[in-house]
Amino acid sequence: NAGVTQTPKFQVLKTGQSMTLQCAQDMNHEYMSWYRQDPGMGLRLIHYSVGAGITDQGEVPNGYNVSRSTTEDFPLRLLSAAPSQTSVYFCASRDSDRGKYGYTFGSGTRLTVV
Amino acid sequence: AQSVAQPEDQVNVAEGNPLTVKCTYSVSGNPYLFWYVQYPNRGLQFLLKYITGDNLVKGSYGFEAEFNKSQTSFHLKKPSALVSDSALYFCAVRDSNAGNNRKLIWGLGTSLAVNP
Repeated sequence: NAGVTQTPKFQVLKTGQSMTLQCAQDMNHEYMSWYRQDPGMGLRLIHYSVGAGITDQGEVPNGYNVSRSTTEDFPLRLLSAAPSQTSVYFCASRDSDRGKYGYTFGSGTRLTVV
Repeated sequence: AQSVAQPEDQVNVAEGNPLTVKCTYSVSGNPYLFWYVQYPNRGLQFLLKYITGDNLVKGSYGFEAEFNKSQTSFHLKKPSALVSDSALYFCAVRDSNAGNNRKLIWGLGTSLAVNP
């Protein structure tokens, strides 16, 4: 089925550990982004990419790295996990045309940092 | 600065009654407006969008939204609510004149509870 695939669905990390959240889409979308969702704070943009080889920071980028070596994949790396990074993470993609299209979201990764 | 407000944290309606979930926005240019729905433990799903044209936009699952430029609003509506409509609803806006800024601005969400 076409869409955005996120793995893993759940993860528990110890403070200081690193990990990569995977995101892949098979719709040939140019634009991909990572959000975190926290109670009472809505969706906050972490990083985004407008195409392979191009990434940029969102509003809460600290502690996270991204890369976009292919159109399909947009992994999010936590360098040294902290309890403040406990959240639900969503990857989303959309086609180009300057933002006229809606996003397709993955099903999310629920991350707990202890 | 761009912003979106969803003034109600929670909306409660009885099944079969009409529902409205409110959204107001602020952008400097013309808005692109979106509604998304999130069911428990799921990702967000696109419902509908307003880009240009008819102010009344029809979307998925019987939902519609009315763009009101003078009131800078984009309220989500449904004539007859279903229990299965109970979910978290997000409004989002992007300024069409924002050049290379392709970021959406999201509201904080409104929890809709439809009571049987």
